[in-house]
Amino acid sequence: QSALTQPASVSGSPGQSITISCTGTSSDVGSYNLVSWYQQHPGKAPKLMIYEGSKRPSGVSNRFSGSKSGNTASLTISGLQAEDEADYYCCSYAGSSTTWVFGGGTKLTVL
Amino acid sequence: QVQLVESGGGVVQPGGSLRLSCAASGFTFSSYGMHWVRQAPGKGLEWVAFIRYDGSNKYYADSVKGRFTISRDNSKNTLYLQMNSLRAEDTAVYYCAKDQRGFDIWGQGTMVTVSS
Repeated sequence: QSALTQPASVSGSPGQSITISCTGTSSDVGSYNLVSWYQQHPGKAPKLMIYEGSKRPSGVSNRFSGSKSGNTASLTISGLQAEDEADYYCCSYAGSSTTWVFGGGTKLTVL
Repeated sequence: QVQLVESGGGVVQPGGSLRLSCAASGFTFSSYGMHWVRQAPGKGLEWVAFIRYDGSNKYYADSVKGRFTISRDNSKNTLYLQMNSLRAEDTAVYYCAKDQRGFDIWGQGTMVTVSS
């Protein structure tokens, strides 16, 4: 149950696009189309932003998109806005014994 | 509205026990699997445990296996986490989360501090 690998921090200016990577293994990200992404503002509970790799829950802005290639999933935020500044976590179903694994989190700074 | 409310957190000595509760409302609790996820101070999210909608199967992270027990009472719309043999490294905010295409609904969390 090793954590997925995310960059510790990313930054971008308002209006720009950024991408956060999430690297796992062939036992988790690579084997299942069950990667989800969460946004967490300080002192708040996480919020689901993307599920099943690329699907957005109702109410989530279409500026958020997800994709996957091999063992790496990605979250792209386009048209950056100040309120996007938060921590972002990826999560993947990891199969064996039915477990889930989170990434270490990425702090997004909007410059 | 759909809501999860955790309770039961507090300060406990190493080796002690604590039971967390998560009260669900606004959805058919008995139809969904449920998770516990924790977050140590200043750290990332860590999945802790999952229970199927009917309680038939339970799964745990290696870090808590044998010490924590997840359970549910569908008649009371409540999820539980019994935590025994607590260690300093179990100090965290504990969240319950509903399982539907990801962790789609989260509670506000309850803080557990393990300290002498």
